[in-house]
Amino acid sequence: EPEVTQTPSHQVTQMGQEVILRCVPISNHLYFYWYRQILGQKVEFLVSFYNNEISEKSEIFDDQFSVERPDGSNFTLKIRSTKLEDSAMYFCASSEALAGDLGQETQYFGPGTRLLVL
Amino acid sequence: KNQVEQSPQSLIILEGKNCTLQCNYTVSPFSNLRWYKQDTGRGPVSLTIMTFSENTKSNGRYTATLDADTKQSSLHITASQLSDSASYICVVSADGAGSYQLTFGKGTKLSVIP
Repeated sequence: EPEVTQTPSHQVTQMGQEVILRCVPISNHLYFYWYRQILGQKVEFLVSFYNNEISEKSEIFDDQFSVERPDGSNFTLKIRSTKLEDSAMYFCASSEALAGDLGQETQYFGPGTRLLVL
Repeated sequence: KNQVEQSPQSLIILEGKNCTLQCNYTVSPFSNLRWYKQDTGRGPVSLTIMTFSENTKSNGRYTATLDADTKQSSLHITASQLSDSASYICVVSADGAGSYQLTFGKGTKLSVIP
């Protein structure tokens, strides 16, 4: 069964450093998402991406964050200057469609990247 | 503000027993409600999804119910297994043009013990 993959599984970085989290969505999916989950808290939406541009972003997704689909398979989240409070699990998700058939709009999540900022 | 509240926060049950998890939401306008299972250190996996017009949806030993009038949902797990130990997250989608956002609950952490 196709699945969303993410690399690395764990990332430790120093405060102020840039990190890039990578995701390979399911191949026929067109909509891509990033979420984060701070330890012990709920999953929070960061951004959605379609047709090579951001469709929607939350207030968490400020200027230090950016997303990119550099080729036909990868979808990346860049944090320019990490802060201690960026420590979290970051999930990538993808869906076939946005709305309509419920099966097509179901978002499939990757296993996550655990980011620790020291 | 859209919110999803879940109860209980955590639950311990014996293997083979049934349990019911609750979800209340204030997401408006409502589009659909999903229950996800999240194993520790893993991404959420969709169990069921229901729209406004659906009252119940089953997926094996998982049965979800929805009361759109009272904005409540429940997830019933029958004949629990050790592998059911996970967090169960209620996720609600708003019906807004161009809105992709899902609102997540904090989850109920279920522990099934032998």
